Amino acid sequence: QVQLVQSGAEVKKPGSSVKISCKASGYDFTTSYIHWMRQAAGQELEWMGIINPSGGTTEYAQKLQGRITVTRDRSTSTVYMELSSLRSEDTAVYYCARGVSGSGNYWGYFDQWGQGTLVTVSS
Amino acid sequence: QSALTQPASVSGSPGQAITISCTGTSSDVGVYNYVSWFQQHPGQAPQLMIYDVNYRPSGVSNRFSGSKSGNTASLTISGLQAEDEADYFCSSFTSTSTPYVFGTGTKVTVL
Repeated sequence: QVQLVQSGAEVKKPGSSVKISCKASGYDFTTSYIHWMRQAAGQELEWMGIINPSGGTTEYAQKLQGRITVTRDRSTSTVYMELSSLRSEDTAVYYCARGVSGSGNYWGYFDQWGQGTLVTVSS
Repeated sequence: QSALTQPASVSGSPGQAITISCTGTSSDVGVYNYVSWFQQHPGQAPQLMIYDVNYRPSGVSNRFSGSKSGNTASLTISGLQAEDEADYFCSSFTSTSTPYVFGTGTKVTVL
């Protein structure tokens, strides 16, 4: 079955970076987008970015441009999301999700989610 | 990009039907049929319940249905069961610089 398994919780200092992994299994890794979202406590989800695992092309939320980098390793069917210059407001649960049935500028709906990774930014 | 507006909580008795609203704008819900609904139990990953306004993924109970009118989408749960008690949130594709927007979330309580 389709599965996305994320790396474990992280505690980081302000100004540092975090890199979270999302390992896909159960389907052809190159055929579906992988999105990244995050949810701070008591807040709604926020879309962060996307990667096309086939060609490696990415798009990022404007507010995170310059701080977020999403990459993939086709050999291990793994997507990575790195967020730099961390601040306390980046404390959140981070999710990867598979996007399917996209067309044109629409990158699909999220049919499978990773279990989430808690990132805590604290001095 | 503002979040989609949902009621904070909705409750119902077993067997009843409840409806959760998700109000957006003419830049998202009102213009695209790309509205999804998710169920999330505490500490678990979100689960897709409805996509493209009113389509159910394989394996999701037909007690769950979706609809849309203007800028507001709705999720209806009929024949409410104890296992339906969870948080529910909507999402929509948007025409703004942020391609996806999410709802504020609704806690469903089965009385």
